[in-house]
Amino acid sequence: EVQLVESGGGLVQPGGSLRLSCVASGFTFNSYEMNWVRLAPGKGLEWLSYIGSSGSTTYYADSVRGRFTISRDNAKNSLYLQMNSLRVEDTGVYYCARDLNKSGGVYFDYWGQGTLVTVSS
Amino acid sequence: EIVLTQSPATLSLSPGERATLFCRASQTVSNFLGWYQQKPGQAPRLLIYDAFNRATGIPARFSGSGSGTDFTLTISSLEPEDFAVYYCQHRYTWPITFGQGTRLDIK
Repeated sequence: EVQLVESGGGLVQPGGSLRLSCVASGFTFNSYEMNWVRLAPGKGLEWLSYIGSSGSTTYYADSVRGRFTISRDNAKNSLYLQMNSLRVEDTGVYYCARDLNKSGGVYFDYWGQGTLVTVSS
Repeated sequence: EIVLTQSPATLSLSPGERATLFCRASQTVSNFLGWYQQKPGQAPRLLIYDAFNRATGIPARFSGSGSGTDFTLTISSLEPEDFAVYYCQHRYTWPITFGQGTRLDIK
């Protein structure tokens, strides 16, 4: 059974940092591209970042580029999101999501349960 | 970036009725569009990818159509568990974007 379990969320002040983790199981992690997606309160889903299966290719949404860094450790079946210079508008539930690995493009077929990040003074 | 506009914002229907949800892209996304369902407190679920392909385990009452800039998600006969928020998402180019969502409510 595919499982993705996020951790690392919490309450942080504006300008602060957090590191989210996502541990994967039930599939060959190093064969799949991975992503982070968030759901802000009262808003819709927002894709944040992508990382290729080897970790050598990354992409970011404009809203987080330069502040967030995606990475992975295939030996530990783990995905990370380092979040710096956090803003109030970064508040939301953060999901790690596995790429469908079909069709040549990025869709999200498995998701974690999400971890809540609250940025507030 | 490509903007996806979903309509209507809210759709109120009864179980057994047919639901038609729309997604319009600000420029062509070819057929590179997917649909997700999200219920409160749950992670999203992939329903459709590349405009019309049902994801694994998705019931046949869900179908997708369209290409270019205009897409449709149809639920042929609503079941009680189908009332949720639905999002479209393109994968045509970076950055990937989602629509703002359509809330499907029980009438």
